[in-house]
Amino acid sequence: GENVEQHPSTLSVQEGDSAVIKCTYSDSASNYFPWYKQELGKGPQLIIDIRSNVGEKKDQRIAVTLNKTAKHFSLHITETQPEDSAVYFCASKETNAGKSTFGDGTTLTVKP
Amino acid sequence: SAVISQKPSRDICQRGTSLTIQCQVDSQVTMMFWYRQQPGQSLTLIATANQGSEATYESGFVIDKFPISRPNLTFSTLTVSNMSPEDSSIYLCSGGGQATYEQYFGPGTRLTVT
Repeated sequence: GENVEQHPSTLSVQEGDSAVIKCTYSDSASNYFPWYKQELGKGPQLIIDIRSNVGEKKDQRIAVTLNKTAKHFSLHITETQPEDSAVYFCASKETNAGKSTFGDGTTLTVKP
Repeated sequence: SAVISQKPSRDICQRGTSLTIQCQVDSQVTMMFWYRQQPGQSLTLIATANQGSEATYESGFVIDKFPISRPNLTFSTLTVSNMSPEDSSIYLCSGGGQATYEQYFGPGTRLTVT
């Protein structure tokens, strides 16, 4: 089955700095790669995603890049703010299978 | 996008009892899933809830312990049966379209078994 590895497990940055979280996947059939943000006491919230026919996608301060050859994708957050502090999960999905495989999560702390 | 609600938001239960968690989606979704999340851990898929048929369970999860219903495209229930303290966890409902890629989550049900 699919295996998703996520690094780092914890990340601490100063407000205004950039943060990068990386994930690798094993199943070459995976074709959809979402990122979720989970704040304390809440369910995961979809913040950005990328499909396998695209190499990069941006939405304001967040961006995701995908390297299908190397089977890895990354989340980039620029100009970090304290409210970006949360746990971030990457996932991969082979859409015909329907279900997603999640990474272990990264706890991001943005220090004011 | 889909908005997903769950009831109850939290509960404290005695061992040996059962709890049914309800999940409601504000729009029809092809697929619904139930996850378990231990504090500080990732999401573990329990099962895929299939409309009108038996749920598809992941390895390590069985129907007798986690019976699931899905009577229509917007509603599902998960029952945690004969609970033990090891069942203390956050249970998350999720829904999405198989063809539309995106998957959305409810706020979770925080279960404590004493």
